[in-house]
Amino acid sequence: GENVEQHPSTLSVQEGDSAVIKCTYSDSASNYFPWYKQELGKRPQLIIDIRSNVGEKKDQRIAVTLNKTAKHFSLHITETQPEDSAVYFCAASRRNKLVFGAGTILRVKS
Amino acid sequence: DSGVTQTPKHLITATGQRVTLRCSPRSGDLSVYWYQQSLDQGLQFLIHYYNGEERAKGNILERFSAQQFPDLHSELNLSSLELGDSALYFCASSILAGATNTGELFFGEGSRLTVL
Repeated sequence: GENVEQHPSTLSVQEGDSAVIKCTYSDSASNYFPWYKQELGKRPQLIIDIRSNVGEKKDQRIAVTLNKTAKHFSLHITETQPEDSAVYFCAASRRNKLVFGAGTILRVKS
Repeated sequence: DSGVTQTPKHLITATGQRVTLRCSPRSGDLSVYWYQQSLDQGLQFLIHYYNGEERAKGNILERFSAQQFPDLHSELNLSSLELGDSALYFCASSILAGATNTGELFFGEGSRLTVL
């Protein structure tokens, strides 16, 4: 089945710096790659997603890139702010399964 | 508010017991997913239902079972509970079937299960 690996497990950045989180997936048939943000004690919420026919997508300070050949995708957050501090999960979907990575704890220091 | 309702929010029980977690999806959503989130763990996919039918199984133990009813609410049954079953159980719904197209999942607030 699908396996999603996510790195790093924790990431600390200074406010205003960029943050990059990387994920790899195992199933080449996966075709949908969302990113979810989970604040402490809250439910996960979608922040951006990308489909397999697109290489890059951007939404304000957040961007996601997908390399289908290498089977990896990345989340880029620019100009980080304290409110970006949270756990970020990548995921990969094939058919009826959406499998999540282990998560990255992002700490933005002000 | 995501529109997904999960009950109960908190549940404390003893080893060997059985519990039922309930999920009401957003109005109009036909897909329901269940995930388990243990302390410091990611979101482990358990099972997916679409319009009453099981569509995919993940790492769901044989002691666990689920179903989706005609009114589209879903229940996750956990039996012969062990200490290691203590976790936050999330339900999420989506309007899409997932077979050929997966879209945004809307998560409930979760049901926190503590097994003593």
